[in-house]
Order: sequence, then C-alpha cells, then structure tokens
Amino acid sequence: QKEVEQNSGPLSVPEGAIASLNCTYSDRGSQSFFWYRQYSGKSPELIMSIYSNGDKEDGRFTAQLNKASQYVSLLIRDSQPSDSATYLCAVYNAGNMLTFGGGTRLMVKP
Amino acid sequence: SAVISQKPSRDICQRGTSLTIQCQVDSQVTMMFWYRQQPGQSLTLIATANQGSEATYESGFVIDKFPISRPNLTFSTLTVSNMSPEDSSIYLCSALLQGLGEKLFFGSGTQLSVL
Repeated sequence: QKEVEQNSGPLSVPEGAIASLNCTYSDRGSQSFFWYRQYSGKSPELIMSIYSNGDKEDGRFTAQLNKASQYVSLLIRDSQPSDSATYLCAVYNAGNMLTFGGGTRLMVKP
Repeated sequence: SAVISQKPSRDICQRGTSLTIQCQVDSQVTMMFWYRQQPGQSLTLIATANQGSEATYESGFVIDKFPISRPNLTFSTLTVSNMSPEDSSIYLCSALLQGLGEKLFFGSGTQLSVL
C-alpha cells in the first residue's frame, strides 16, 4: 500500500508568520511531488511541483524535497488570511499513480 | 497549465436515477482521472481513463456503477448509475499533463446530492 501521510491539523499561524506543512510518503520509487491548495467547496489548485532534492521557491511558497528521508514540505512565508485552506500533498510514481495525502487544514489568523 | 471544464457543477438527483458528468480539456492529454471527495475528506481515485482503452477502476469501484467513456484525447464522461444517497459527494475530473514533469490539473467539480 503506497501511502502519503499528512497531519490533518488544523495548523494555526498568525498573519505574517511562516506556515510549515509536512508530508511523508512510503514509496521510494516516487518521482514527482505536488502541493495543492483547496478552498472549501472548490476543487484542488496546483500551487507547487518539485521533482529533485532541495528547495524550490515560487513567490511566498517554498517546496522542499528530501528523497532519502521520504518527506516533502511546503513553507508559506508572510502568511495571509487568504492562505487559509486545506493543503494536499500528492506523490506521483512510475506506475502512473498519483496518491494524495489526507490534507492539512491551515488557518491564518489576522 | 490546462483548462478543464466540468459540468454540471451541481445536481440534485432522485434515488435510482443516473447522472452523467462531462469533462472537457483544452489540450490533448493521454491520461485522465476521476476522483470522488466526501465532505472533509481527501480525494479517492475512482478510475483512470486513457483514450483508446478501457478505464481502470480502483478497488471498491466497478464499471457497472461508474461507467466511463473516453472517446478522444480531450473529453471524458463519468456516469453515476442507479444512485443512492451514499453516492452524494463531489466528483472531480482531472487531466495529467506531461512535459517538463508531470502535472495534474482538476476540473471545477460536480457536487452531487441524491435524495
């Protein structure tokens, strides 16, 4: 069973702080890693993808991948109330399977 | 990125009836997927729909209940057959773009309520 694990939260951070979201996965053959943001009642929106070890930055978002430790994280700098949503980690493996974690609910308080 | 149009956006249906959800992608894609999302839950994969072959269903989902069509590289449908209240959920279609790394994009979803 290929699994992707996330803390369900809620993770509460004050406005302007850094939000750190974590995800672990079980399949060492996983190739690609994604973070989706999902607002209540909306479909998931792709915000970051990362394919190799290290950090990838896009605006206020930084994705970090450590394949040896089998974890991927998402940092949100200068968190805003509009960042309040559920963040889904997804992992893609060579079997053309995309497996989603259970999601972490983030709450950014003004 | 890809633009995925999904319709209907929501529907209220009677027990025992069927609903077909349509999904149109603005570019040609080999792989499309159908997911279900219960309130407060993560995504559950129903099936993978590749053009030119039969859909591949995940454990717990069968073709008789969720028939899928994939007539070309930009379109797919999912039918929820003989509906019961337990089928009430959000149904999401998605398309996998492959280029400089794979990326999965979602349609806007169909919120289904079965009475």
